[in-house]
Parts: sequence; C-alpha cells; structure tokens
Amino acid sequence: SQTIHQWPATLVQPVGSPLSLECTVEGTSNPNLYWYRQAAGRGLQLLFYSVGIGQISSEVPQNLSASRPQDRQFILSSKKLLLSDSGFYLCAFGRPFDYEQYFGPGTRLTVT
Amino acid sequence: QQPVQSPQAVILREGEDAVINCSSSKALYSVHWYRQKHGEAPVFLMILLKGGEQKGHDKISASFNEKKQQSSLYLTASQLSYSGTYFCGTLKSNTGNQFYFGTGTSLTVIP
Repeated sequence: SQTIHQWPATLVQPVGSPLSLECTVEGTSNPNLYWYRQAAGRGLQLLFYSVGIGQISSEVPQNLSASRPQDRQFILSSKKLLLSDSGFYLCAFGRPFDYEQYFGPGTRLTVT
Repeated sequence: QQPVQSPQAVILREGEDAVINCSSSKALYSVHWYRQKHGEAPVFLMILLKGGEQKGHDKISASFNEKKQQSSLYLTASQLSYSGTYFCGTLKSNTGNQFYFGTGTSLTVIP
C-alpha cells in the first residue's frame, strides 16, 4: 500500500533560521510530488511540484526552495525564515495520469 | 490560476442541502473535490473529467461543465460529519503536474 510520511509534525523556529522539511513516499515509484502551504484559515497554495529526480518547478517566488534527491524523497528548505513563512505545510503525491492526490499529515511551522 | 469558490462559508442544519461552486478562468482537464477537517490533511472525495459528467458518492455528488469551466458540489441531507472546508482542485492537462486548489468553502453542520 502507498503511504506518505512527513516530519516533523510541528516546528517552532526563530526568524532568520534555516528550515528543512522532509517528505517520503512508499509503495509507488516515479510519483509526482507536491509541496503546499496553508496559512491559518486560508486555502492551499502550491509551492513546488516535481515530476522526477532533480526536476523541480516553482509556482511562487519566495525564499523557499525544494529538492528531490531520490525518487520518493522531497525536501523543502529555506536558508532564512521569515515571519510570513508560518503555516501548515503539506506534502502530497500523485501517480502520473492518476488524478487523486494523497496528502501527508503536514507540518505546522511557527516562525517567531 | 487559483479557482474561485462560492460561497466562502455556509452553516446548515442537519438534513439540509448545500451547493458549493468552483469556477476557473482557465480551460480545465479535470476537477477534483477534497474535504479538510480542522488541523488535518485534505481527503479526496471525487474527480470529474472532461465530458460534463456527474458523479455521486453517498449523498455527495458533483457536476462539471467544461465549457463554463465550472464545477458544483451537491451535499444532500447533510450530516454532522460533513462539516469541514471543501476545496475544489483543478488540472489543466492529463499529466497531473500543475494542480491548483480553490479558495475553499467552510461548511458547518449544526444539530
């Protein structure tokens, strides 16, 4: 069966500190991978998506970056966090030509 | 790129019906509907592909009008468990790469 893992579940970081959120997928190969951010009480904003190792597309210019070092690993990073980076970060995967997206449990990030 | 949903919020009594609309300014390949409970990840409800089809899932159904680039989600005889935020999601092509969620509709069902 397919599963998606995200960690950590919650994170409190000071402004200006670095960030690394990791997402891994099991039970499927060559998935499409996505990072979303959801600000409090708001909708889901697509940040990055990837269709293969090393292939990253950015949807929103910002101080975040993403990398896909392995087929089923997706990492969201920042060198210096801003207050506006606070939110609920969700990783999701989808199989090519299969349209359902499967979401990880999310990471709640608070930048102080 | 983000689809617009209406209404933004709705409060229902158990047993009442609701309609949530989703409109896009871009041509669509498919429309997806998700429900998100507070503090949790979104959960997939259904997908509608091009062809103007209508689908149903228990007492929740949806339609997709590709010419108007609109989709509607119909909740009939609402239950307390229907409470949450509903998002439509849209794909521009069948490769599933660029997926955009709508602005969301908060639905609260009260006894």
